[in-house]
Amino acid sequence: ILNVEQSPQSLHVQEGDSTNFTCSFPSSNFYALHWYRWETAKSPEALFVMTLNGDEKKKGRISATLNTKEGYSYLYIKGSQPEDSATYLCALQTGANNLFFGTGTRLTVIP
Amino acid sequence: GAGVSQTPSNKVTEKGKYVELRCDPISGHTALYWYRQSLGQGPEFLIYFQGTGAADDSGLPNDRFFAVRPEGSVSTLKIQRTERGDSAVYLCASSSPGQGSGYTFGSGTRLTVV
Repeated sequence: ILNVEQSPQSLHVQEGDSTNFTCSFPSSNFYALHWYRWETAKSPEALFVMTLNGDEKKKGRISATLNTKEGYSYLYIKGSQPEDSATYLCALQTGANNLFFGTGTRLTVIP
Repeated sequence: GAGVSQTPSNKVTEKGKYVELRCDPISGHTALYWYRQSLGQGPEFLIYFQGTGAADDSGLPNDRFFAVRPEGSVSTLKIQRTERGDSAVYLCASSSPGQGSGYTFGSGTRLTVV
């Protein structure tokens, strides 16, 4: 079992604020890093799959960066909206299959 | 179907009973995964199918857990002699060959053992 850590565990931000959270992982056996958004009573939704050191991906107001050498990824949300409230999960993929998930960051955006 | 479908969405069962959880993946996805999320934890890998065969079942916690995918599409996770510690959200995901697109998850089955 690989130790994937996410911080903070939870946070509350005001609507319109920008925020970011961290995923750290062991840099050995790296294959890919996944980010998912999981809203209550819904399916986890894939946000990004990142493979290259220094990679940066963007989807609307959400972006992510990756550092495979030091073993971390940041997720940024610009101008948070109430609909961004969800649990954000990162997962390390070490081979062709299987993901090792962190415990998630629970984001609440206050209108 | 358009997404990964899991049934039932909720299941309450008595300790010691047998349960089956069903997953219907995206048509054409050869890879299928089962994960379990306990309260306060991230999803934990249980088993991975490539086609009909279990390519990796190293995450199954003990021999009370078993999963099948007889025709390479629908999969059933079977739990015998359920225990209170089995209470969790059981997630199924499927993917197509190659990395890059992420996994498509179902909305899970919330199992409560009382």
